[in-house]
Amino acid sequence: GENVEQHPSTLSVQEGDSAVIKCTYSDSASNYFPWYKQELGKRPQLIIDIRSNVGEKKDQRIAVTLNKTAKHFSLHITETQPEDSAVYFCAASIAGSARQLTFGSGTQLTVLP
Amino acid sequence: DAGITQSPRHKVTETGTPVTLRCHQTENHRYMYWYRQDPGHGLRLIHYSYGVKDTDKGEVSDGYSVSRSKTEDFLLTLESATSSQTSVYFCAISGTGVDQPQHFGDGTRLSIL
Repeated sequence: GENVEQHPSTLSVQEGDSAVIKCTYSDSASNYFPWYKQELGKRPQLIIDIRSNVGEKKDQRIAVTLNKTAKHFSLHITETQPEDSAVYFCAASIAGSARQLTFGSGTQLTVLP
Repeated sequence: DAGITQSPRHKVTETGTPVTLRCHQTENHRYMYWYRQDPGHGLRLIHYSYGVKDTDKGEVSDGYSVSRSKTEDFLLTLESATSSQTSVYFCAISGTGVDQPQHFGDGTRLSIL
């Protein structure tokens, strides 16, 4: 089955700096890659997703890039703010109606004021 | 927020007892999922449903069963709970169509003593 590895497990940045989280996946058939943000004690919330027919997608300060050849994708957060502090999860799934997401193990992002 | 309600939100029980968690949605979505979240493992899929009475196993289904008798309700049952099933359980839903994202409920914190 699919295997998703996520790095780093913890990341600290100064407010205003950029943060980058990287994930690799094993199954070349995977074609959907969402990112979730989870604050302490809260539900995971979708922040951005990308399909395999797209190399990059942006939404304000957040962007995701995908390299299908290398089988990795990354989350980029620019101009970080303290409220960006949370655990971020990447995931991958293969085409199909019921998407069985395989998640990475998460990155604890801390934005230092 | 997606109309997803999980109950109970917290539960403490003893090893060997049966436990049922409920996920209720008001979105009329076809697909429903149960995940467990443990430190260092991200979220792992237990079971999912692609319609009333249609369910299938996920990555970590051993020791769990599910039922879906109505579109809006998806039940997760631990027939005989074990301490290894202590976890936070999240329900998710997604709609019909290509690349519909999954949205999560608030979770159930289950402790098995």
